[in-house]
Amino acid sequence: DTGVSQNPRHKITKRGQNVTFRCDPISEHNRLYWYRQTLGQGPEFLTYFQNEAQLEKSRLLSDRFSAERPKGSFSTLEIQRTEQGDSAMYLCASSLAGGGADTQYFGPGTRLTVL
Amino acid sequence: AQTVTQSQPEMSVQEAETVTLSCTYDTSENNYYLFWYKQPPSRQMILVIRQEAYKQQNATENRFSVNFQKAAKSFSLKISDSQLGDTAMYFCAFEETSGSRLTFGEGTQLTVNP
Repeated sequence: DTGVSQNPRHKITKRGQNVTFRCDPISEHNRLYWYRQTLGQGPEFLTYFQNEAQLEKSRLLSDRFSAERPKGSFSTLEIQRTEQGDSAMYLCASSLAGGGADTQYFGPGTRLTVL
Repeated sequence: AQTVTQSQPEMSVQEAETVTLSCTYDTSENNYYLFWYKQPPSRQMILVIRQEAYKQQNATENRFSVNFQKAAKSFSLKISDSQLGDTAMYFCAFEETSGSRLTFGEGTQLTVNP
């Protein structure tokens, strides 16, 4: 049973550059979530998908952020014109909708450092 | 909007002893879900235990159990027979409806001392 995987694990970029992260959910899971976690804080919700449909976006997700899940499998999170305040751990989680409490399983995260 | 509060930023316990981590939340919903997640130094978030609000019985998972007080909006985690591997950041999380977003507390750093 492979878990949620995320790539890259670490990304260092210069301010103003664009970055893209990838998340591969657990294979049968139809829901996929993105969270952001800064040091010493709990994760904050960014957005989530059911299959390929983006069902909810947080107000934290500014216009510079975009997420896609084109075929309902893997997802990408792109940040354009990165800022130092974007430095954080970006976590992906997946779940199987239906049947009660849908437990979200998390990936190892992508740590972004914006210089 | 739902909020989750963990009032203990740090806690420590001796190996083999019992420790309780506190969590309170605020919601106007009647049916919802509560979770405790563990994040060890490697940083992968792992589910510890979950509780459905409509269930009166407190959830248990081996050495982990919860004290769910719905009227008080309290959801504490008890770890019995603490082990060195329990050292981690523990997050309480709230889910309004099944499959929706999780709202996390600020976390409690637990250290188990030998």
